Amino acid sequence: DSGVTQTPKHLITATGQRVTLRCSPRSGDLSVYWYQQSLDQGLQFLIQYYNGEERAKGNILERFSAQQFPDLHSELNLSSLELGDSALYFCASSPGQGSNQPQHFGDGTRLSIL
Amino acid sequence: GESVGLHLPTLSVQEGDNSIINCAYSNSASDYFIWYKQESGKGPQFIIDIRSNMDKRQGQRVTVLLNKTVKHLSLQIAATQPGDSAVYFCAENRPRLIFGQGTTLQVKP
Repeated sequence: DSGVTQTPKHLITATGQRVTLRCSPRSGDLSVYWYQQSLDQGLQFLIQYYNGEERAKGNILERFSAQQFPDLHSELNLSSLELGDSALYFCASSPGQGSNQPQHFGDGTRLSIL
Repeated sequence: GESVGLHLPTLSVQEGDNSIINCAYSNSASDYFIWYKQESGKGPQFIIDIRSNMDKRQGQRVTVLLNKTVKHLSLQIAATQPGDSAVYFCAENRPRLIFGQGTTLQVKP
């Protein structure tokens, strides 16, 4: 158990809809990262928050947004969903904002767009 | 551009043998590397990390070797067990994790 909690585990919805994925980091970790994993693209970094502020942005679409709340949990919002958004979405956390430390992953949310 | 690649998509080993999973990276400025294990239905699980000022680091049954001259990273698993069956990713952390495509390790009984 990594200590990172993601909900829901599975989500099925239709094109054009909006969903929210939730992540609780490990106790004491201030950074939260979001990743997308698909069969053809592998694990892709989306965005990082540190102590409530955005720290780094990767290949995140404009239809996607995220935030980190004062209690350090984070939410990833996906809107105007398309079939190609079907993927596993992972959250990871680490103590600091820097690069030279392990990130610990949750077990992901599997998003299926019908 | 930056990329992290693994040499083989699948590695099949006999239970009890040692496994070696390889990874090549392209950015010579990378100073930190991580190996992850991902089992079916689970998120990536941290195995071991290494900084660029080291050549070797050992954990429990695992060893990571870093060859900066040829930009190569390897993960050695001693006495491979059925529970080691998973997909293994190397990742370069600068500051976001850049993952390779993964090597599937299959352990034959």
